[in-house]
Amino acid sequence: AQSVTQLDSQVPVFEEAPVELRCNYSSSVSVYLFWYVQYPNQGLQLLLKYLSGSTLVKGINGFEAEFNKSQTSFHLRKPSVHISDTAEYFCAVSDRGSSNTGKLIFGQGTTLQVKP
Amino acid sequence: DTEVTQTPKHLVMGMTNKKSLKCEQHMGHRAMYWYKQKAKKPPELMFVYSYEKLSINESVPSRFSPECPNSSLLNLHLHALQPEDSALYLCASSLGQGKAFFGQGTRLTVV
Repeated sequence: AQSVTQLDSQVPVFEEAPVELRCNYSSSVSVYLFWYVQYPNQGLQLLLKYLSGSTLVKGINGFEAEFNKSQTSFHLRKPSVHISDTAEYFCAVSDRGSSNTGKLIFGQGTTLQVKP
Repeated sequence: DTEVTQTPKHLVMGMTNKKSLKCEQHMGHRAMYWYKQKAKKPPELMFVYSYEKLSINESVPSRFSPECPNSSLLNLHLHALQPEDSALYLCASSLGQGKAFFGQGTRLTVV
């Protein structure tokens, strides 16, 4: 079984400041890791994913995340945020196993509030 | 085409009504999903279809009935719902590895 913990429920930050949204996971098997963003009244959009290879992954809208296997973390970062980044961010995992159905296990979400 | 299209966008239904939510994708994805999302919460998986066969039912009440008529379409039939079933219902599709494309959702209100 897998679980995902997003350590901050809300992160307020001023425009053009850097931001880090924290995510830790627990799993007895190897997993794929994802960050999704949800703007108000919309569906989820994939920001970035870690499947294999380099532990630093770059996504859309200037976001990046680093996979740390020893700390079972996958923190999301952006060096300079914009007002338009205000949204809900979800970290998620999916089982790598051969029976992988692509089922996503989500964290509770982090609300990023960018202030002018 | 990298879209998952859900209809309707909004739905208000009474507890005795029967309605259906529809989802369509043309990306050739063979896995399709229904998720339920309550306000300020993460999506919760309801059903998974793989190659048009139901592979996961997360103990969802029988008043929700999924259907996958073909590889591009996914329906969710609703009957005798309760007010607590009001939520955003999200459809997603995937080629695997968990990389899913989500639709915009149907905002369901049960009155």
